[in-house]
Amino acid sequence: DAKTTQPTSMDCAEGRAANLPCNHSTISGNEYVYWYRQIHSQGPQYIIHGLKNNETNEMASLIITEDRKSSTLILPHATLRDTAVYYCIVRPKAAGNKLTFGGGTRVLVKP
Amino acid sequence: DAGVIQSPRHEVTEMGQEVTLRCKPISGHNSLFWYRQTMMRGLELLIYFNNNVPIDDSGMPEDRFSAKMPNASFSTLKIQPSEPRDSAVYFCASSFDSGGADTQYFGPGTRLTVL
Repeated sequence: DAKTTQPTSMDCAEGRAANLPCNHSTISGNEYVYWYRQIHSQGPQYIIHGLKNNETNEMASLIITEDRKSSTLILPHATLRDTAVYYCIVRPKAAGNKLTFGGGTRVLVKP
Repeated sequence: DAGVIQSPRHEVTEMGQEVTLRCKPISGHNSLFWYRQTMMRGLELLIYFNNNVPIDDSGMPEDRFSAKMPNASFSTLKIQPSEPRDSAVYFCASSFDSGGADTQYFGPGTRLTVL
């Protein structure tokens, strides 16, 4: 599976957009970009995934560059409850379906 | 839907004792995963099942660990005998695998402490 690189931590202001970057320069054509987050003491929570096109759902937007070597997760209006560790995962369409979690980005939303 | 259900939520046991963790996946899902999370190693996959059959158990630490899925609605992860280094949070996740980009849904986890 392609490896991802994320900043270790970042802060953002409540009510502002949070932009979380992820590099996946070795991604191959059949690999999806997934984002999960883990709020303290809870199980990981699915946020969004995409292959080539930008995606949006009720939680976030995913922007994937044209060369697919990087992506950005956007939380449009961060709240205190968005404080969590965010994981960017690259996963082949059919690789036993397992998720390989890296270190993630620890996001702290401040009032 | 109740989501993935795990029990117990917390388990404290003594070294050498048998520990059994339980998981009820989301109804209709055909894949089930057991993960372990520690500070040192992060989140790592232990084993996953598809249609109740173990597909990949390469993440199972050693013979002391075993997992079963007797039917589509229940799975167990057993540690016998337990050791202090097994202390971790164990997560169960399930998904519907249709051969495409499935989404895994995680349970709340079982926090295991082995004294």
